[in-house]
Amino acid sequence: DAGITQSPRHKVTETGTPVTLRCHQTENHRYMYWYRQDPGHGLRLIHYSYGVKDTDKGEVSDGYSVSRSKTEDFLLTLESATSSQTSVYFCAIRDRAGGNEQYFGPGTRLTVT
Amino acid sequence: KQEVTQIPAALSVPEGENLVLNCSFTDSAIYNLQWFRQDPGKGLTSLLLIQSSQREQTSGRLNASLDKSSGRSTLYIAASQPGDSATYLCAASPDAGNMLTFGGGTRLMVKP
Repeated sequence: DAGITQSPRHKVTETGTPVTLRCHQTENHRYMYWYRQDPGHGLRLIHYSYGVKDTDKGEVSDGYSVSRSKTEDFLLTLESATSSQTSVYFCAIRDRAGGNEQYFGPGTRLTVT
Repeated sequence: KQEVTQIPAALSVPEGENLVLNCSFTDSAIYNLQWFRQDPGKGLTSLLLIQSSQREQTSGRLNASLDKSSGRSTLYIAASQPGDSATYLCAASPDAGNMLTFGGGTRLMVKP
C-alpha cells in the first residue's frame, strides 16, 4: 500500500461543468501522475508532477489542467467536462527508493452525461 | 513513439498449469519495465519491476524476464490458481521520471 487515496471515487456530472479530482499521498513522494483508462486505448498519461508547482503534460493533456500546491496533493481539473472525458482516472506515484516503481491509487470513475 | 503490445488479449487455463504472458515493445531504449495486475473495477497492483540492466525478477510464483535486444518481456506464472484470474498489464518507461507506456493487457482466467 503506497498510501494513495483518490476522491471522489465515483462522480456523475453534466457536459460543460467543471470537475476536480483529488489525489492524496502520505509518503512524501516527489513524482505524481494522472492517467486515464479507456476500453480500446488502455492507460494513457494525462499530466505529471515532479515537485510542488512543477508539472508537465502527458500524452492526452488537452482539456485537462493540474495543480500541485503541496507535496501530498495533486489535483486534476476538467475545466468544462465533455462526454469524451468519461473514463476511469488513476493517480500514481513513483517510489524513487524502490527503483522508480510506480504505484497506483484505487481510481475515480467519472461519467459525463 | 514507444508502442507496447500484449498477446494474447485473453487466456483461459485449467488450475495448476504453468503459463507465460507476453509483452513486446518497439523501442528498446527503455529504463525499466513493470508488470501489473488489475482486478475488475479495481486499481493496478504492481507485481514486478525489471530495470533495463536486469534480465529477470522473481516474486513467489511469478518470474518476469526482459530481453531488450528483441523488445520482449515475459511474465511466467507457476502452478496457476483461480485467484490469479485478473488482467495483467505490462508498461515500459523511457526514463526514470516520466510516463509509462502500457500494453493493452492480457485477461487471464484460471478455471478450477
